[in-house]
Amino acid sequence: EPEVTQTPSHQVTQMGQEVILRCVPISNHLYFYWYRQILGQKVEFLVSFYNNEISEKSEIFDDQFSVERPDGSNFTLKIRSTKLEDSAMYFCASSAVLAGPGANVLTFGAGSRLTVL
Amino acid sequence: AQSVAQPEDQVNVAEGNPLTVKCTYSVSGNPYLFWYVQYPNRGLQFLLKYITGDNLVKGSYGFEAEFNKSQTSFHLKKPSALVSDSALYFCAVRGSGNTGKLIFGQGTTLQVKP
Repeated sequence: EPEVTQTPSHQVTQMGQEVILRCVPISNHLYFYWYRQILGQKVEFLVSFYNNEISEKSEIFDDQFSVERPDGSNFTLKIRSTKLEDSAMYFCASSAVLAGPGANVLTFGAGSRLTVL
Repeated sequence: AQSVAQPEDQVNVAEGNPLTVKCTYSVSGNPYLFWYVQYPNRGLQFLLKYITGDNLVKGSYGFEAEFNKSQTSFHLKKPSALVSDSALYFCAVRGSGNTGKLIFGQGTTLQVKP
């Protein structure tokens, strides 16, 4: 079964450092998402991406965050200068369609745990 | 704004007994509702969804959910719980706009005891 893969599974970084989290969505999917889950809390939407541009972003997704799809397969989330409160599990997800029988079924990766010291 | 609420942080049930995990929603327009499950150190896995049609939706691993428009609820159910069903369960609703994002509830931990 196709899956979304994320790397690294765990990254530890110092506050103020840049971090790039990588995702390979399912190959025929068109819609891409990043979510965040702080330990023990709910899964929060960060950003959606379609047709090589951001389609929606949340209040959490401030200027420290950016996304890109550099080569048509990878989908990356960059945090420019990490803060302690960025420590969380980051999930990438992708979806094929927004309408019809498969509408909105997001397939999630296993996540990248980011620890900021 | 679209939102879902899961009123229980944890549900405990004995193996073999029926289980219910509750979810209520608030949406403008027709709701697209989902249930996902998260096992420890894993991503979220899709269980089932309601978009239109029959109010009783069947999904993976023997789970089902009942859409109730008058009560704005979408409770997850299973007739006979297994210990392996123990996990974190999230209800979700499609967000407004046309980006396909999902908005998740706070999650309910299901503990099935032998």
